[in-house]
Amino acid sequence: GQNIDQPTEMTATEGAIVQINCTYQTSGFNGLFWYQQHAGEAPTFLSYNVLDGLEEKGRFSSFLSRSKGYSYLLLKELQMKDSASYLCAVITDKLIFGTGTRLQVFP
Amino acid sequence: DTEVTQTPKHLVMGMTNKKSLKCEQHMGHRAMYWYKQKAKKPPELMFVYSYEKLSINESVPSRFSPECPNSSLLNLHLHALQPEDSALYLCASSQAGPKIGGYNSPLHFGNGTRLTVT
Repeated sequence: GQNIDQPTEMTATEGAIVQINCTYQTSGFNGLFWYQQHAGEAPTFLSYNVLDGLEEKGRFSSFLSRSKGYSYLLLKELQMKDSASYLCAVITDKLIFGTGTRLQVFP
Repeated sequence: DTEVTQTPKHLVMGMTNKKSLKCEQHMGHRAMYWYKQKAKKPPELMFVYSYEKLSINESVPSRFSPECPNSSLLNLHLHALQPEDSALYLCASSQAGPKIGGYNSPLHFGNGTRLTVT
């Protein structure tokens, strides 16, 4: 089967740093995406990793370890607007979403 | 604003009705997708079209019938739905689908159609 697991909920304070983990066990691996989804809105693309290591994009960074089946999304200088669900998605022969993490940022 | 447009935004239908969801993109993408998302759950893949041909059907019940009239349009025809089919239906597109080598092509999602079956 395909398992892509994330913590269900996380909370953090404005200005802080938060790390959202994703572990996966899938039949095949061709890359991993992170998406952000605000309530009632479409998921929006944040990052893509296919090789091991860190990809940095402004306040957001994503890390991948293929040997460990592990990725994380790092959000720095948190803002209230970062309160959203964060979805890890693995590409096998199709895109499969993880369970999603709801992040709440407090003042 | 999303570059993938879905209509209608909201739909309420009875179990005997026939309705269609529509999706349109003008980014030149050659892969299009239907996902179903229940509240507080991740999107679940239903169908994938690559170059206007159905390439993936995730064992979706036949009361859901996809159609890809051309490279810009994707429809989902609904008939005899059940109340448990109530969900947010998301359309997405990408430059190429995974099966044709487009692994690093991110999906662009529409804002979805919120469907309620009564």
